[in-house]
Amino acid sequence: QITLKESGPTLVNPTQTLTLTCTVSGFSLGASGVAVGWIRQPPGKALEWLALIYWDDDKGYSPSLRRRLTISKDTSKNQVVLSLTNMDPVDTATYYCAHRGGSGWSHYFDYWGQGALVTVSS
Amino acid sequence: QSALTQPRSVSGSPGQSVTISCTGTSSDVGGYDYVSWYQQHPGKTPKLMIYEVTERPSGVPGRFSGSKSGNTASLTISGLQADDEADYYCCSYAGSYTLVFGGGTKLTVL
Repeated sequence: QITLKESGPTLVNPTQTLTLTCTVSGFSLGASGVAVGWIRQPPGKALEWLALIYWDDDKGYSPSLRRRLTISKDTSKNQVVLSLTNMDPVDTATYYCAHRGGSGWSHYFDYWGQGALVTVSS
Repeated sequence: QSALTQPRSVSGSPGQSVTISCTGTSSDVGGYDYVSWYQQHPGKTPKLMIYEVTERPSGVPGRFSGSKSGNTASLTISGLQADDEADYYCCSYAGSYTLVFGGGTKLTVL
């Protein structure tokens, strides 16, 4: 079955770079049509889509955060990595990685990781 | 790219129907039939309820249905049950490998 699990620091200092890893199982990151996305949710607030990476290494980024985000994958390790630079307290959130269902332009997230709460504070 | 617009809250009594709207633009909701809906109970991970505007994943009750007209998508829940009380989010493909979520709607079952 498909599973995803986020890992990374729970606390980061302002101005630091956050690096989160999503380790997946039950599918290959290199299989045609596969994509994995990152979504975050500040405490008590709405979901916000951050980035996507596709099997062929195409990438998509939230326009508002594009300058600060980098997404990459290591197919051999079954891992997707998200980096967010210049962290600020407003970036405090639960960060989820999720498996994209569908293919082509169809995008929906059918499997989600448990989420990783990241707090930005000095 | 702005968040899709959802009502902050809706409510209904058990057995009734409620509809949650999700308004975007011709660049997202109106431009693609790729709207999905997620249910999130407090402290839980979001759960996919509807994809591609009208499709239901296996295991999601038929009481949940989706539709779209122009730049507005809708999620309708009929035969409301206590366990339907949750936050609901819409999400749309917005072109160029980007997605956008709605601001979320809190459903209260009275």
